[in-house]
Amino acid sequence: QVTLKESGPVLVKPTETLTLTCTVSGFSLGNVRMGVAWIRQPPGKALEWLAHIFSNDEKSYTTSLRRRLTISKDTSKSQVVLIVTNMDPVDTATYYCARTKIVPAAGTYYYGMDVWGQGTTVTVSS
Amino acid sequence: EIVVTQSPATLSVSPGERATLSCRASQSVGSNLAWYQQKPGQAPRLLIYGASTRATDIPARFSGSGSGTEFTLTISSLQSGDFAVYYCQQFNKWPPAFGQGTRLEN
Repeated sequence: QVTLKESGPVLVKPTETLTLTCTVSGFSLGNVRMGVAWIRQPPGKALEWLAHIFSNDEKSYTTSLRRRLTISKDTSKSQVVLIVTNMDPVDTATYYCARTKIVPAAGTYYYGMDVWGQGTTVTVSS
Repeated sequence: EIVVTQSPATLSVSPGERATLSCRASQSVGSNLAWYQQKPGQAPRLLIYGASTRATDIPARFSGSGSGTEFTLTISSLQSGDFAVYYCQQFNKWPPAFGQGTRLEN
């Protein structure tokens, strides 16, 4: 059974750094057909894709937050970590990690986030 | 960066009817588009990837179509559990972006 579980602080103060951990089971972070993404959702708002890490350690970040985000993984621990610096109240959201399935197809690859964690709610307030 | 726009924002449909949701990309994404369903208080669920391939255990009443910049998610014969928010996401050019969602209501 494939599972992902987010962990981290529930409350952070403005300007602080947020560190979130996604612990996965049922698959390996070294599997070339899989990656892990972080997505967030402010209360009552849409999903926002934040960052992704592939099995070869290649990383991708959303343009608007690129300077504040760092994603990394420890394959031996089955963990993916997201660091968000300089937190602000507008960063209050539920943060999800999700497995990205990578499917080869006709000279390209198709992607889909097929297994999600339950999400962890982070509030930014002094 | 590719912008993904969904329409309508809210769609009112009755159980048993067909629902058609639209997703438009600001430039071609080929067939590299996914659809998700999100119910209140839950994480999203992958429905469709590659524009038209159903994910594991997704019922056949969910179908995806389109390519390039115009995509459609069709839910034939709506059931009560289908009322939710639906998001599309392009993966052709990274970083991938979500649309703003379509709320499907009764």
